[in-house]
Amino acid sequence: DAGVIQSPRHEVTEMGQEVTLRCKPISGHNSLFWYRQTMMRGLELLIYFNNNVPIDDSGMPEDRFSAKMPNASFSTLKIQPSEPRDSAVYFCASIRTGGGSQPQHFGDGTRLSIL
Amino acid sequence: GNSVTQMEGPVTLSEEAFLTINCTYTATGYPSLFWYVQYPGEGLQLLLKATKADDKGSNKGFEATYRKETTSFHLEKGSVQVSDSAVYFCALTGGGADGLTFGKGTHLIIQP
Repeated sequence: DAGVIQSPRHEVTEMGQEVTLRCKPISGHNSLFWYRQTMMRGLELLIYFNNNVPIDDSGMPEDRFSAKMPNASFSTLKIQPSEPRDSAVYFCASIRTGGGSQPQHFGDGTRLSIL
Repeated sequence: GNSVTQMEGPVTLSEEAFLTINCTYTATGYPSLFWYVQYPGEGLQLLLKATKADDKGSNKGFEATYRKETTSFHLEKGSVQVSDSAVYFCALTGGGADGLTFGKGTHLIIQP
């Protein structure tokens, strides 16, 4: 089975530009999570979806960040406008819920650099 | 809220040394506990997990026991290898579809 697929792997752009990160969860997984990793703050949960519905977006840092999951096989995380402090590695993870605590499966991440 | 505290790194050991990475947590209810490993340039991979008190998770020679009385989940390995060099994250979740709460990560360096 293919794992969680994220694109792009690397993104370099100038501040003020719109950035869109993409994630394809593992087929059959019904919960999807977006995390951000920085040296200063470590790994932080930004938002998660269950059955395509946003459940908790309390980790989204500002209104410049938005996330959508239009169907079970695709999610986007958008930053508009982007700022240098948004530079980080963004991870997507997915899980099939129900029947005990299953581990989350992570993608390889998108390394974002805002100049 | 939930929180995870793990020892700061980097931790530098010689090959075949004994490894302990401490992890303690604060959580309501009965969380599930995990250790994830991150190799350079890669995403996080599950190393082991435990879902209830006194459970022992194990994988690739690594072990960790869920200690509710001390709210700990320390990672151990009897004889480390150079290939174990990575960043190790302790994490917890309240269960179901909850997101993970991570520790800050411990960078492990194994020297030949």
